[in-house]
Amino acid sequence: DAMVIQNPRYQVTQFGKPVTLSCSQTLNHNVMYWYQQKSSQAPKLLFHYYDKDFNNEADTPDNFQSRRPNTSFCFLDIRSPGLGDAAMYLCATSTPGLATDTQYFGPGTRLTVL
Amino acid sequence: AQSVTQLGSHVSVSEGALVLLRCNYSSSVPPYLFWYVQYPNQGLQLLLKYTTGATLVKGINGFEAEFKKSETSFHLTKPSAHMSDAAEYFCAVSDTGRRALTFGSGTRLQVQP
Repeated sequence: DAMVIQNPRYQVTQFGKPVTLSCSQTLNHNVMYWYQQKSSQAPKLLFHYYDKDFNNEADTPDNFQSRRPNTSFCFLDIRSPGLGDAAMYLCATSTPGLATDTQYFGPGTRLTVL
Repeated sequence: AQSVTQLGSHVSVSEGALVLLRCNYSSSVPPYLFWYVQYPNQGLQLLLKYTTGATLVKGINGFEAEFKKSETSFHLTKPSAHMSDAAEYFCAVSDTGRRALTFGSGTRLQVQP
């Protein structure tokens, strides 16, 4: 089945230790998104790629970076995680990149910061 | 700027009862409106969306929503709740000027036997 896959499902890191979360998709969608969802809150968009074009949200901290080496993969790098970065990180995809697109979400990676 | 307000962070209904989850939006341009469902420890799944055309939208699992421009609302309903409907429901908005979604704070639906 075509899908959005996130690895790992659970990630534990230490305060200040860089961490990378992975997202892959078999849908061949041209847009990939990263959302942060803190406990009992709405998902909040961090950034998205439209093909290779990176689009950062204005209020996304510099601590968060992203890479998209090819259509299928997208990575979220947190350079120096703080306790406040503990959250569920959701990857989503869509095509062809319109505001009416349905977004397809992965199961998420739950990040714990010790 | 867009925003979405979901009234009621928790809603509890009995199995077989009507489900009504409220969503109001604010947008300076014609909006596109979405309802997503999230089961525990899972990603979000689209229930339904309104883009243009018919204002009553039918979705999966027996849910439907009606776009009411005069009330700036997009409430989600289901005539008869099932235990499997227990989940978190998010209303979201986008528009032609913005590819990404702005989500409401969510409503957790409990279904009592």
